[in-house]
Amino acid sequence: RKEVEQDPGPFNVPEGATVAFNCTYSNSASQSFFWYRQDCRKEPKLLMSVYSSGNEDGRFTAQLNRASQYISLLIRDSKLSDSATYLCVVNTDKLIFGTGTRLQVFP
Amino acid sequence: GAVVSQHPSRVICKSGTSVKIECRSLDFQATTMFWYRQFPKQSLMLMATSNEGSKATYEQGVEKDKFLINHASLTLSTLTVTSAHPEDSSFYICSAPVRGNNSPLHFGNGTRLTVT
Repeated sequence: RKEVEQDPGPFNVPEGATVAFNCTYSNSASQSFFWYRQDCRKEPKLLMSVYSSGNEDGRFTAQLNRASQYISLLIRDSKLSDSATYLCVVNTDKLIFGTGTRLQVFP
Repeated sequence: GAVVSQHPSRVICKSGTSVKIECRSLDFQATTMFWYRQFPKQSLMLMATSNEGSKATYEQGVEKDKFLINHASLTLSTLTVTSAHPEDSSFYICSAPVRGNNSPLHFGNGTRLTVT
């Protein structure tokens, strides 16, 4: 079993749609969690940290369920510029990256 | 904000040559830097952890004699791919935690290496 698993997608959604990504992790000792965004052929960029109580940043909402070892990212009112690969990242003693979920927003 | 600068952004070299990649933290001190590699359509894979003033820690399966890491100062870590071969062609990215080991990473802009 992979340490961090994500649905690879692609998710093709129209502008304005709401889309949700899921991620599961295998190590219950994981300490911190993040979502990164990676554009094609570019470096990853931090989108947001994920807190146990859930957190929101504008159109983005992240949630963590430690009991189920599950992380989610919700994007509301999708924009064309949201098209990218979203990486779920889990920190145990090092950062482990998921393979990413590809999002394509179309007009 | 914190910036990690990586150079060069792209390298094309012949098989058998060595390539050096530099990673600098521009406005913070990085006692630790991480080197990742990403093949097309795959996730970032940690290669090694670079520690200022001490030896790097390599992940399983990564040859330390092939991927030489030097972290001589608090703002500079280098990765040298020695005797590069076509299978070493990949996207190499350095990163550093800004606030501590559990903080998110800031990444360099990556180096795309093509070995012909």
